[in-house]
Amino acid sequence: LAKTTQPISMDSYEGQEVNITCSHNNIATNDYITWYQQFPSQGPRFIIQGYKTKVTNEVASLFIPADRKSSTLSLPRVSLSDTAVYYCLVGDIGRDDKIIFGKGTRLHILP
Amino acid sequence: EAGVAQSPRYKIIEKRQSVAFWCNPISGHATLYWYQQILGQGPKLLIQFQNNGVVDDSQLPKDRFSAERLKGVDSTLKIQPAKLEDSAVYLCASSLQQGRETQYFGPGTRLLVL
Repeated sequence: LAKTTQPISMDSYEGQEVNITCSHNNIATNDYITWYQQFPSQGPRFIIQGYKTKVTNEVASLFIPADRKSSTLSLPRVSLSDTAVYYCLVGDIGRDDKIIFGKGTRLHILP
Repeated sequence: EAGVAQSPRYKIIEKRQSVAFWCNPISGHATLYWYQQILGQGPKLLIQFQNNGVVDDSQLPKDRFSAERLKGVDSTLKIQPAKLEDSAVYLCASSLQQGRETQYFGPGTRLLVL
């Protein structure tokens, strides 16, 4: 299983674009990269998933370089409600891979 | 579509007592997960079911924790006897299948052991 490393915390301001980078140097060929968001007193919620290059949905974008040893979650024009913990997970699509959540990145949006 | 349901939402017990948590996954989801989340940490997988069979329970403290998923739908997680360090939020999640399928989480049960 590829271990992931993320910043412990980040601060940003409303209206800014926020980029959270996750390192996964030992990512395997079949591994996908998945990001979850967790608000206080709630369970994590799926944000986005990708394998390579760029993925975009209505909530975020995920940038994955060619070597796939890192990935960046990009949140456009954040608001106060984006204050949450963001988890980066790496796992194999084909195997019964265990999902491992690290400590995540605590994102605090300031007015 | 109804989400993952969990009950109770909160529970306070004394150490050495027993407690049980219940989870009803999203209809049609074959895979069910129980996680333990200690304050300030990410969720830790305790047990994973595929239908009514156990796929992974390597991190389940089997001397005090047990879980079952009869008929491959609802699931219960039990702690007997509870310890102070079991104070945490217990999250249930489900997904259509294993692998990279999106997991949908319930609101969790917050347990406080005194």
